[in-house]
Amino acid sequence: EAGVAQSPRYKIIEKRQSVAFWCNPISGHATLYWYQQILGQGPKLLIQFQNNGVVDDSQLPKDRFSAERLKGVDSTLKIQPAKLEDSAVYLCASGTSPGQLEQYFGPGTRLTVT
Amino acid sequence: AQTVTQSQPEMSVQEAETVTLSCTYDTSESDYYLFWYKQPPSRQMILVIRQEAYKQQNATENRFSVNFQKAAKSFSLKISDSQLGDAAMYFCALNTGNQFYFGTGTSLTVIP
Repeated sequence: EAGVAQSPRYKIIEKRQSVAFWCNPISGHATLYWYQQILGQGPKLLIQFQNNGVVDDSQLPKDRFSAERLKGVDSTLKIQPAKLEDSAVYLCASGTSPGQLEQYFGPGTRLTVT
Repeated sequence: AQTVTQSQPEMSVQEAETVTLSCTYDTSESDYYLFWYKQPPSRQMILVIRQEAYKQQNATENRFSVNFQKAAKSFSLKISDSQLGDAAMYFCALNTGNQFYFGTGTSLTVIP
């Protein structure tokens, strides 16, 4: 089966610009996660979706970050405006259900904010 | 607050030898799960092994096994018969409720 797809793989923007990342989970996976992984740190969960509903977004900086999964399939994570500290790899993962807990990760999008 | 601590930023092991990666965690929850993930250079993160907190028996997956000490809140990963393909960053993770918490990772080098 095809894995989790993410695009773009790399993005360089200037601070205060906007950026969007796209994720297409494994077909049939109801749960979708977005993580932020800053260099030298472990992934930090930003938001979790179950189908098209948000399960948890307690660590999402909502003043500048937003995410949606309108049709319960692919998802978009947006940052506007970007700050230097947003430079990180943004990982998307999917799973069959929250209770199942196993996550399949995509390759990530490496964002550099200058 | 939940925390996961990996105190070994880097480890190395000779090919075919055994290595143990350390992880400690803190949570006040009684129901939780623990994981080890592997992140090879420039490749996707994959699940290595998982442990349910309510299970006393340590999880094992082929050459990978854990030593789960619930009272000590310790969750170490043992890799036996290390192979070159085991070289990667290894992350310990804790799940409680809807949240996942990751440690800072241990970079494992396998020496031929």
